[in-house]
Amino acid sequence: DAKTTQPPSMDCAEGRAANLPCNHSTISGNEYVYWYRQIHSQGPQYIIHGLKNNETNEMASLIITEDRKSSTLILPHATLRDTAVYYCIVRVEAAGNKLTFGGGTRVLVKP
Amino acid sequence: DVKVTQSSRYLVKRTGEKVFLECVQDMDHENMFWYRQDPGLGLRLIYFSYDVKMKEKGDIPEGYSVSREKKERFSLILESASTNQTSMYLCASSLSQFLYGYTFGSGTRLTVV
Repeated sequence: DAKTTQPPSMDCAEGRAANLPCNHSTISGNEYVYWYRQIHSQGPQYIIHGLKNNETNEMASLIITEDRKSSTLILPHATLRDTAVYYCIVRVEAAGNKLTFGGGTRVLVKP
Repeated sequence: DVKVTQSSRYLVKRTGEKVFLECVQDMDHENMFWYRQDPGLGLRLIYFSYDVKMKEKGDIPEGYSVSREKKERFSLILESASTNQTSMYLCASSLSQFLYGYTFGSGTRLTVV
């Protein structure tokens, strides 16, 4: 699986959009981009994933660049409950395939 | 919603004890995983299973074994617990035709004294 690079931490104001970048310059054509988050003392939670098109669900939007070497997770209106560590992961979609978590970005949403 | 339930939230065991960490999922998922999480090291995969009685080593299997006798249950076994196995242990499951991500349990914080 391709490696990812994320900033170690970022702050965001409550009610504003949070834009979380991720670099994955060695991504291959069949690897998907996944985002998870982990709120303190809980297990990681799936947020969203995509291959090459931008994706949106009730939690977030995922913007993938045309060359697929980077992506951005957007939390449109951050709340205090979005304070968490956010992980960007790339992996091949295959049965039983494992997730490899990197260091993630620690996001602090401030009032 | 898929639920992944880990039997204990907190556990304290003595060095040398045999420790069983149990994980049960209720949505007929084929794949199950055990991770450990340590500060500064992120989540590291210990073992995973993609079918009953099947298991595969992850990145750090040393000192651990697993058992999957039934589809819904995946057990992590520390044959002889050591202090360096003090950690947060996370179980996860996913469908084989995976599209929507893994579901994680709430974790078991194991302390070996």
